Amino acid sequence: GAGVSQTPSNKVTEKGKYVELRCDPISGHTALYWYRQSLGQGPEFLIYFQGTGAADDSGLPNDRFFAVRPEGSVSTLKIQRTERGDSAVYLCASSRKNQGTGTRGTQYFGPGTRLTVL
Amino acid sequence: SQQGEEDPQALSIQEGENATMNCSYKTSINNLQWYRQNSGRGLVHLILIRSNEREKHSGRLRVTLDTSKKSSSLLITASRAADTASYFCATDGSSNTGKLIFGQGTTLQVKP
Repeated sequence: GAGVSQTPSNKVTEKGKYVELRCDPISGHTALYWYRQSLGQGPEFLIYFQGTGAADDSGLPNDRFFAVRPEGSVSTLKIQRTERGDSAVYLCASSRKNQGTGTRGTQYFGPGTRLTVL
Repeated sequence: SQQGEEDPQALSIQEGENATMNCSYKTSINNLQWYRQNSGRGLVHLILIRSNEREKHSGRLRVTLDTSKKSSSLLITASRAADTASYFCATDGSSNTGKLIFGQGTTLQVKP
């Protein structure tokens, strides 16, 4: 079956603009994660959805960042008033429902969206 | 913030040699995972080792975990040019979310 897909693959915007990044998880995966990866660094956690609700948004850097998953499938990461420091690759991952400590499903990552803020 | 550090940051070897990468972390974990990333894009899951396991094998991969030292190692045996990539360890901590905390990665170059 299809893997995790993300659109667009690249996004160039100007400082101060609003952007939306989309993630289509693997069908049937109820857990969805957003990560951000800066050049030369490992991915950093942003937000986690279990179903439609954001179960953990502790990684969102500030209130300019917001994510939704209204029907428990596709998710959109929204960034308002973009800044040059927001430039990074935004990665989405999905997994099967958490089954308890030590038995979580493997996270499958999409190819990412490379965001460049000029 | 990053969970820990990976060592070395960069590694260059000849095809056929073994490659060893190390990862240290800071907090208690449920499991530790290793991922590979090509060209700075999507990550591919390689192997998961649970906190009550000490060693795990998958094909040419061998992972060890020492929870007393909060460290793990990934060994790739008989490396191939196609193994050239960045490798990241990621820890799944004690919270119930499954969110992963990644290290900074090791860049591996395998010369043909």
